[in-house]
Amino acid sequence: NAGVTQTPKFQVLKTGQSMTLQCAQDMNHNSMYWYRQDPGMGLRLIYYSASEGTTDKGEVPNGYNVSRLNKREFSLRLESAAPSQTSVYFCASSESSTGYGYTFGSGTRLTVV
Amino acid sequence: RKEVEQDPGPFNVPEGATVAFNCTYSNSASQSFFWYRQDCRKEPKLLMSVYSSGNEDGRFTAQLNRASQYISLLIRDSKLSDSATYLCVVNKRTGRRALTFGSGTRLQVQP
Repeated sequence: NAGVTQTPKFQVLKTGQSMTLQCAQDMNHNSMYWYRQDPGMGLRLIYYSASEGTTDKGEVPNGYNVSRLNKREFSLRLESAAPSQTSVYFCASSESSTGYGYTFGSGTRLTVV
Repeated sequence: RKEVEQDPGPFNVPEGATVAFNCTYSNSASQSFFWYRQDCRKEPKLLMSVYSSGNEDGRFTAQLNRASQYISLLIRDSKLSDSATYLCVVNKRTGRRALTFGSGTRLQVQP
């Protein structure tokens, strides 16, 4: 099925370890986003890429880096994981940045111990 | 102050009831408005867009009041399958061009 694919679905890290969350979309969308969701906090924007070749910080970028590898792929990297980064991470894509037509991946559940 | 505020609930209603959720947003530069639905441990999915003139999709009606900066969602004839968290979402006209999500209102429809 067409859509947004995130890998892995689950991950447990030790404090200080690094990892990259992968996201790929096959809808030829221009914009891609990374959000995290914590209980009672709603989804908070970490980074976004309005178009291939550009990335911008969102609301909570500290501790993360991103790469827009090509139009399809947008990865999120944790260089030195901390327990505060335990969360559910969602990648999304959209045709444009107007807000219409967001499609989300199924999420990555990350636990940092 | 959060950009988008919602009552977290839960709203516990019997099947067939009518239930309404409200949401307020703080940024007058907000341009686009949406309600998303999120089932437990799943990704959010678009329920409906919200227009100034109001819009209806079956049992769901959404309203926008720009002057008061609030958005509402009305669900009529609630079904068990409506049980979920409803997220109020806005997008600004300028600045960071990405959706801003409320923390959600949880609805539990009971038999």
